[in-house]
Amino acid sequence: ETGVTQSPTHLIKTRGQQVTLRCSSQSGHNTVSWYQQALGQGPQFIFQYYREEENGRGNFPPRFSGLQFPNYSSELNVNALELDDSALYLCASSPTTHHNEQFFGPGTRLTVL
Amino acid sequence: DQQVKQNSPSLSVQEGRISILNCDYTNSMFDYFLWYKKYPAEGPTFLISISSIKDKNEDGRFTVFLNKSAKHLSLHIVPSQPGDSAVYFCAVHSGNTPLVFGKGTRLSVIA
Repeated sequence: ETGVTQSPTHLIKTRGQQVTLRCSSQSGHNTVSWYQQALGQGPQFIFQYYREEENGRGNFPPRFSGLQFPNYSSELNVNALELDDSALYLCASSPTTHHNEQFFGPGTRLTVL
Repeated sequence: DQQVKQNSPSLSVQEGRISILNCDYTNSMFDYFLWYKKYPAEGPTFLISISSIKDKNEDGRFTVFLNKSAKHLSLHIVPSQPGDSAVYFCAVHSGNTPLVFGKGTRLSVIA
């Protein structure tokens, strides 16, 4: 059974640029959630996707957007990058929309210069 | 305004002794509580959970205690092992609301 994978592992961008992060969910999981973990903080919920539709969103501006594909993999897109967007971005997949059944990927470390 | 607080950023414990990690929350509506463990370069891994209808849940060396009146939960690891060295996150939620995480406590188990 393949776990949750994320790509790329690390990424460096400059302020104002756009970035796309990718996540492959665990086999059999139809729900993907994205989290931002800033340095010294816990993960913070960005949004969840279920069957290709957004199913809940945290306190993040619209320049954070996502997609989920028919195979349940997902993308996180961030436009107009700001310095404070530098963080570890975690993807978690789950077999249901319940938030207590999530399996996390290793994350993508984004640095915005 | 932090809804979940882990007031100890770090904790050092000798191998074989008990590790106690604490977590406080502010909203009495939270009814499900989880602990995650995170190693460097890996995602958080689910460790143990407890619902609000219980006050204790045990799984091997790991026990979680919930004190609803104090809005406090703790994770006990006995005996602590060097492989337990990691960052531990407390997470809470209610119904189908998203998880709210604390900032984490870095546990170092010294051989």
